Amino acid sequence: EPEVTQTPSHQVTQMGQEVILRCVPISNHLYFYWYRQILGQKVEFLVSFYNNEISEKSEIFDDQFSVERPDGSNFTLKIRSTKLEDSAMYFCASSEAGGSNYGYTFGSGTRLTVV
Amino acid sequence: AQSVAQPEDQVNVAEGNPLTVKCTYSVSGNPYLFWYVQYPNRGLQFLLKYITGDNLVKGSYGFEAEFNKSQTSFHLKKPSALVSDSALYFCAVRDWASGTYKYIFGTGTRLKVLA
Repeated sequence: EPEVTQTPSHQVTQMGQEVILRCVPISNHLYFYWYRQILGQKVEFLVSFYNNEISEKSEIFDDQFSVERPDGSNFTLKIRSTKLEDSAMYFCASSEAGGSNYGYTFGSGTRLTVV
Repeated sequence: AQSVAQPEDQVNVAEGNPLTVKCTYSVSGNPYLFWYVQYPNRGLQFLLKYITGDNLVKGSYGFEAEFNKSQTSFHLKKPSALVSDSALYFCAVRDWASGTYKYIFGTGTRLKVLA
């Protein structure tokens, strides 16, 4: 069964450093998403991406965050200058279409720890 | 505003007994409703969805959910719980009428099935 792959599975970084979280969505999917889950809390939407541009973003997704699809297969989330409160599990997801009713396929997540 | 509520942080049930994990929602248009399960250190796995049609929806691993429009609920059920069902369960809604492709997740319910 096709999977969404995320790397690394766990990243530890110093406060103020830049991090890039990587995702390989399912190959024929067109819509890509990032969500995050702070430990013990609910899963929160960050951003959706389609046709090489952001289609929707939440208030969490401020100027410190950016997304990119640098080639035909990767989808990255960059945090420019990490803060302690950015520590969370970050999930990438993809879907065939925005209108699809199949739901997303999520990756297994990257646990980001900011120290 | 769109929202999903999972009123129980944790549900304990004995193995072999039926289980119910509750979810209520509030959206402005027709809801697309989903259940996801998260096992420890894993991503979010799709269980089932309600888009339209029969109010009783069957999904993976023997789970089902009942859509109740008048009560705005979408409770997850299983006739006979297994210890391996112990996990974190998330209800999510997509408000199709607003054109948003993002999910709104509930806070999650931890299911513990006791042997």
